[in-house]
Amino acid sequence: GAGVSQSPRYKVAKRGQDVALRCDPISGHVSLFWYQQALGQGPEFLTYFQNEAQLDKSGLPSDRFFAERPEGSVSTLKIQRTQQEDSAVYLCASSLAQDQPQHFGDGTRLSIL
Amino acid sequence: AQSVTQLGSHVSVSEGALVLLRCNYSSSVPPYLFWYVQYPNQGLQLLLKYTTGATLVKGINGFEAEFKKSETSFHLTKPSAHMSDAAEYFCAGAGNNRKLIWGLGTSLAVNP
Repeated sequence: GAGVSQSPRYKVAKRGQDVALRCDPISGHVSLFWYQQALGQGPEFLTYFQNEAQLDKSGLPSDRFFAERPEGSVSTLKIQRTQQEDSAVYLCASSLAQDQPQHFGDGTRLSIL
Repeated sequence: AQSVTQLGSHVSVSEGALVLLRCNYSSSVPPYLFWYVQYPNQGLQLLLKYTTGATLVKGINGFEAEFKKSETSFHLTKPSAHMSDAAEYFCAGAGNNRKLIWGLGTSLAVNP
């Protein structure tokens, strides 16, 4: 596609529910990144994929967070047993290579009630 | 440890005035440096990047930034602000591992 696409744009869930956030990167982009952005803050790195390999997951805040990219294109960020502190905008970015500029999607705004 | 610091969380300028958004980095290796802009309810859009070579980098929408190694700075400028420039601006840097480290952002307001 023309850009990075994320879905849904908005997600409201009750505390304790599981959620899944989808990212469609730009076609041909090897690198894919997930970030968490709290209100009024900069993006915080969560995890990084090179093709289907998850090379860095050091930013995932707990074992409730899980990301996958099984075929090296679409990626899903899953949050289990959501908590209120998980409320944030989740941004996905892709790039041709790790050291190339990242192209961002519009994000998924997650609200946990 | 690498870090990126943006001085001033809020900057307000008049339309037509100079825009100056400050960014300083600390890195033990020559960095890659980026400026991104974020409009409300949107993702981040790359304005410009410095990797190697010319230290004055020109980006989109009339913005430019100069890499000054002696000052460890990468300030963003635009000669004449436009109302449409009102947004959140983020400076980011990457060292050898190429993981981006982000500043906290500067909110730019442009007054008529």
